[in-house]
Amino acid sequence: EIVLTQSPATLSLSPGERATLSCRASQSVSSYLAWYQQKPGQAPRLLIFDASNRATGIPARFSGSGSGTDFTLTISSLEPEDFAVYYCQQRSNWPPGTFGQGTRLDIK
Amino acid sequence: DVQLVESGGGLVPPGGSLRLSCTASGFTFSNHAMSWVRQAPGKGLEWVSSISGGGVSTYHADSVKGRFAISRDNSRNTVFLQINSPGAVDTALYYCVKEQTLYSHGVFDSWGQGTLVTVSS
Repeated sequence: EIVLTQSPATLSLSPGERATLSCRASQSVSSYLAWYQQKPGQAPRLLIFDASNRATGIPARFSGSGSGTDFTLTISSLEPEDFAVYYCQQRSNWPPGTFGQGTRLDIK
Repeated sequence: DVQLVESGGGLVPPGGSLRLSCTASGFTFSNHAMSWVRQAPGKGLEWVSSISGGGVSTYHADSVKGRFAISRDNSRNTVFLQINSPGAVDTALYYCVKEQTLYSHGVFDSWGQGTLVTVSS
């Protein structure tokens, strides 16, 4: 099973700052990686699929990059509503797919 | 707008059974694979099961294989998850999830609000 490791576990930043979240796979997943945002008490929301494609309705400040084993989610300038937990998920050799353990983005 | 409304969760004893339902609207249901993803209290996300748009192909995580069964009724825009012989480890919020395409390939583009399953005697 492919294991996804997200770092850091918690990231504390201020509104307006740039956020960089990392996801590393235990073996290559090509570009089959997605990012999801989950706010407290809410369902997850798809942000990015296939490493760099923004989902419908996702603001341009969210971008994804990477391939193989190393991936990054970047939020160019944090808005108050961006503070949440972020999960990466791979779908290489689907099924199964696996999720990372999450990165919590906190307000500093 | 896409809407996914789950129901059927609740308290179930270890070894019992439960059937979750999810009714969809706002898109052509039969054109999309559907999945269930769960989240144990305070924990991360775990994919559980998927079914293709026509209902022919189904997939289950190893952790639930042989105990859970996914099915769908396209005439009622509804997907089901039959849970048999649950254990405490199956206690979780179960999300109904719409996939991007007809055949399941693991891109979850819309989520319901979830239904809570608690396994306890």
